[in-house]
Amino acid sequence: QSALTQPPSASGTPGQRVTISCSGDNSNIGGNFVYWYQHLPGSAPKLLIYEDNQRPPGVPARFSGSKSGTSGLLAISGLRSEDDADYYCATWDNALSGPVFGGGTKLTVL
Amino acid sequence: QVQLVQSGPELRMPGSSVKVSCKASGATFNTYAFNWVRQAPGQGLEWMGGIIPIFGSPRYAQRFQGRVTISADESTSTAYMDLSSLRSEDTAVYYCARGRGTYSFKDSFDVWGQGTMVTVSS
Repeated sequence: QSALTQPPSASGTPGQRVTISCSGDNSNIGGNFVYWYQHLPGSAPKLLIYEDNQRPPGVPARFSGSKSGTSGLLAISGLRSEDDADYYCATWDNALSGPVFGGGTKLTVL
Repeated sequence: QVQLVQSGPELRMPGSSVKVSCKASGATFNTYAFNWVRQAPGQGLEWMGGIIPIFGSPRYAQRFQGRVTISADESTSTAYMDLSSLRSEDTAVYYCARGRGTYSFKDSFDVWGQGTMVTVSS
């Protein structure tokens, strides 16, 4: 059972905007930054968002992150077929003294 | 361009151990956190532990304490993850991942290795 809760699935059609939520508590998201990763089958995970809302170089502006209280949110606008992947949120957990991941959300582009 | 290259797939018997390596190239090695994350079939990502080579002391996730040993060799810029008392549930892809900032475990993972498949089966 993950410390962070994500919906198991999400879907959208090309061009749409989709959001993926990540719920935690005061020992993790409430006091620390949220990160988001994209994971395509057969590949290594890729960092999409760090420090709640920052994009690493090369990550399209279609991907954005936000945080409110003990929840994080990943938004993907202008959905494309190549966005079909698993998405994981992560953060530091003060009680566990280590990073924790959400259970992952499978995004299907219809 | 930083790259992490991991060792190849492993097949192990239950009760044995496995050691996976992760060689870093292209950037300073000893001030970054090198973490190990695994993904079992059909499951999500799970942090196992990590090490900041310049400090030497590894940090482990509670559920792996006593079974995992993480180390680093600064002379070869290589991190290692040794998992013992293997059981079928340890069958997974094991990734090494570098922390984005220096001197801290409390950061995102911006560079990942290609993954190493470890299969535990009799």
